[in-house]
Amino acid sequence: DGGITQSPKYLFRKEGQNVTLSCEQNLNHDAMYWYRQDPGQGLRLIYYSQIVNDFQKGDIAEGYSVSREKKESFPLTVTSAQKNPTAFYLCASTPGVSNQPQHFGDGTRLSIL
Amino acid sequence: GENVEQHPSTLSVQEGDSAVIKCTYSDSASNYFPWYKQELGKRPQLIIDIRSNVGEKKDQRIAVTLNKTAKHFSLHITETQPEDSAVYFCAASMGGATNKLIFGTGTLLAVQP
Repeated sequence: DGGITQSPKYLFRKEGQNVTLSCEQNLNHDAMYWYRQDPGQGLRLIYYSQIVNDFQKGDIAEGYSVSREKKESFPLTVTSAQKNPTAFYLCASTPGVSNQPQHFGDGTRLSIL
Repeated sequence: GENVEQHPSTLSVQEGDSAVIKCTYSDSASNYFPWYKQELGKRPQLIIDIRSNVGEKKDQRIAVTLNKTAKHFSLHITETQPEDSAVYFCAASMGGATNKLIFGTGTLLAVQP
């Protein structure tokens, strides 16, 4: 069954700690995206990657880092520099051609301890 | 920068009535406009999309209209049902050969039985 898998579903971060959110897809999609969702706001783009070993900053990249070593994987690290990390994080992917819908994972809810 | 404005932020209708959600975008190069439905705590799911070479698209009770001159697009849901209750997001593609989307801030639709 093809799709996008995000883990964990819930994550807690301690002060000064880096945490990594996993995103894996088996749709053979070239492009992958990370969004942050806060209550009352739309989805805001953190980072995106159109091809393996390449990624670009989105609108709110500060305090986050990513890697794209494999086509199917696009992990997001929330660093200690991100002072307000509590949010719902969504990963998405699309095929390489433009103007295609983004397919989303089930999300990871990150909270501060 | 580019943005998408979405109205209203909340919408309450009686079961069987119609619901209309409107979005305005700023990037004249945008040419792809998807709509997503998100139930509480779940992933956004694509419900309908439209490309700029089309003015209207319909899928059963759901329709989307696009006015490129005015940079407006709207979602129309007819014969609403309680299971239509959710948050709806519009989005517009950014210009260029990417699938980057800019999302509206969402509309919470409540269908009263």
